[in-house]
Amino acid sequence: SQQGEEDPQALSIQEGENATMNCSYKTSINNLQWYRQNSGRGLVHLILIRSNEREKHSGRLRVTLDTSKKSSSLLITASRAADTASYFCATDPPIMNRDDKIIFGKGTRLHILP
Amino acid sequence: SAVISQKPSRDICQRGTSLTIQCQVDSQVTMMFWYRQQPGQSLTLIATANQGSEATYESGFVIDKFPISRPNLTFSTLTVSNMSPEDSSIYLCSVTSGNTIYFGEGSWLTVV
Repeated sequence: SQQGEEDPQALSIQEGENATMNCSYKTSINNLQWYRQNSGRGLVHLILIRSNEREKHSGRLRVTLDTSKKSSSLLITASRAADTASYFCATDPPIMNRDDKIIFGKGTRLHILP
Repeated sequence: SAVISQKPSRDICQRGTSLTIQCQVDSQVTMMFWYRQQPGQSLTLIATANQGSEATYESGFVIDKFPISRPNLTFSTLTVSNMSPEDSSIYLCSVTSGNTIYFGEGSWLTVV
């Protein structure tokens, strides 16, 4: 199975600074997605980047994908207290079949300091 | 997109009892997924629920412990049976729409 592995596991930064999280995976993918999870809540989809894309923006979010290195990064610019959450990457395999599943990494816990 | 309602959102359960979690989607979907997230951990897929057929369980999860119902294309239930403290987790229902997974708010179970 494939798996995203985020790093760092935890990150604390001052409000207003940029936060960068990385995700590595093992085999080829169709898409890579980033999710946010506030403490004890469900996951919220942030952004999807396809395997043929290299960079994508959404508001203060910037995602890059390097398929040669099997890695992705999520950049949150001008961080806010509300960005405090865990961030997960998830990969899905290139071939959809009955046993297809999306695998989540362990997440990066981001804490924005006031 | 899809909007998922999940309940209960939180419960404290006595060991040895069972609890059923409900998941309602605002649109018809073929597959619904149940995940478990233990404290401080990532999400682990428990099973995939298809309407009209038995759920497909992942390695380490069995039907006797986590029976699932899928009576129609917008609803599913997951039962956590004979609970022990190790079952204390967030249980999440999800569906796919296009290439995106959408999640319910989760059911946070604490077994005492």
